[in-house]
Amino acid sequence: GQNIDQPTEMTATEGAIVQINCTYQTSGFNGLFWYQQHAGEAPTFLSYNVLDGLEEKGRFSSFLSRSKGYSYLLLKELQMKDSASYLCAYNQAGTALIFGKGTTLSVSS
Amino acid sequence: GAVVSQHPSWVICKSGTSVKIECRSLDFQATTMFWYRQFPKQSLMLMATSNEGSKATYEQGVEKDKFLINHASLTLSTLTVTSAHPEDSSFYICSARDLGTTNEKLFFGSGTQLSVL
Repeated sequence: GQNIDQPTEMTATEGAIVQINCTYQTSGFNGLFWYQQHAGEAPTFLSYNVLDGLEEKGRFSSFLSRSKGYSYLLLKELQMKDSASYLCAYNQAGTALIFGKGTTLSVSS
Repeated sequence: GAVVSQHPSWVICKSGTSVKIECRSLDFQATTMFWYRQFPKQSLMLMATSNEGSKATYEQGVEKDKFLINHASLTLSTLTVTSAHPEDSSFYICSARDLGTTNEKLFFGSGTQLSVL
């Protein structure tokens, strides 16, 4: 099956840290992606994990545990512009990405 | 990074008409492109996989006769919504993978907002 789950909504304040979790179940796993999407726009790539561990890229980090079918996206030093939908997606080799329903993050001052 | 161009960005049409959406890979060749649909406040749902020179592969529940896909070259895939109805109003996004790299990342077009009156 193609099961991928993430929280629907999260709220946080400027300057804070927020962690968005994602769990998945699939066979033939070949990588876990995080995308950011603002309303009415196409998704933009944030991170890609294919091996276990933490990948850090500026204010954003992503973690993967393949044995647990679990990933999280960590956003530090939140800014108002980080208010968006964050999509978790997994990849089976050579195929399309399968997306979760997205987590809408609202950052307030 | 690789660039995917999608056109038009938005379209309004009358019920019963057909609408064609184009997706081009500008600086790489894409033997495979993916078409997604997104309803408001929902995630991207894969509609079909477009294969250059062969028939598209449709996901379960997607009508192949309603959503015609043509992938005639290595840089162009088109999606035609035939006899559009208001329930087809949605955000349609194409994507492709640059096979010239080892990265599995998908690059997305800018999307097409379709409104059927």
